[in-house]
Amino acid sequence: GDSVTQMEGPVTLSEEAFLTINCTYTATGYPSLFWYVQYPGEGLQLLLKATKADDKGSNKGFEATYRKETTSFHLEKGSVQVSDSAVYFCALRGGTQGGSEKLVFGKGTKLTVNP
Amino acid sequence: EAQVTQNPRYLITVTGKKLTVTCSQNMNHEYMSWYRQDPGLGLRQIYYSMNVEVTDKGDVPEGYKVSRKEKRNFPLILESPSPNQTSLYFCASAGYFNAEAFFGQGTRLTVV
Repeated sequence: GDSVTQMEGPVTLSEEAFLTINCTYTATGYPSLFWYVQYPGEGLQLLLKATKADDKGSNKGFEATYRKETTSFHLEKGSVQVSDSAVYFCALRGGTQGGSEKLVFGKGTKLTVNP
Repeated sequence: EAQVTQNPRYLITVTGKKLTVTCSQNMNHEYMSWYRQDPGLGLRQIYYSMNVEVTDKGDVPEGYKVSRKEKRNFPLILESPSPNQTSLYFCASAGYFNAEAFFGQGTRLTVV
């Protein structure tokens, strides 16, 4: 079945550092890919998405490019802030041939940014 | 405002006392799902539903029931809660084929 693997955390960075959180997926067909963010004490919210190969999703300074050849969707940000401290989840949907609508998540990566 | 509403937000109960966590969405979404979140284990899917009267087991369905009698509602039922069901629960809904999901604010359940 479909699956998502993301780098295990926790990740600790200093403010203004460069961030990469790796995400790879296994799916047949043409899934949409997502990054969700969960701030402390809150629910998950969509950070960005990409619906087809070579699409780049971006939001709040974060970017991720849908790479079908490497089955990856790595999250990047050039300069992190303390307010970016959160748990980040990579996810896919619509991957299985025949059009499964099941949403599949990675295990999440906790990011802490220190001043 | 488009939203997924879960109730209650916090619940402390005793072992064996049946409880229901409600979930409602106002976006006319076909897909709804329940997850539990535990430290070190990430999000694990309990049950999901592709449409009214269509439900299926996720990765950790034991000890839970769901129903989907109306499109907007997807309650999670614990017939006989046990302490190992103490967790943070999230409901989510999503629209057409590969659209993004919207999440509720979560229900923190403690079973003593």
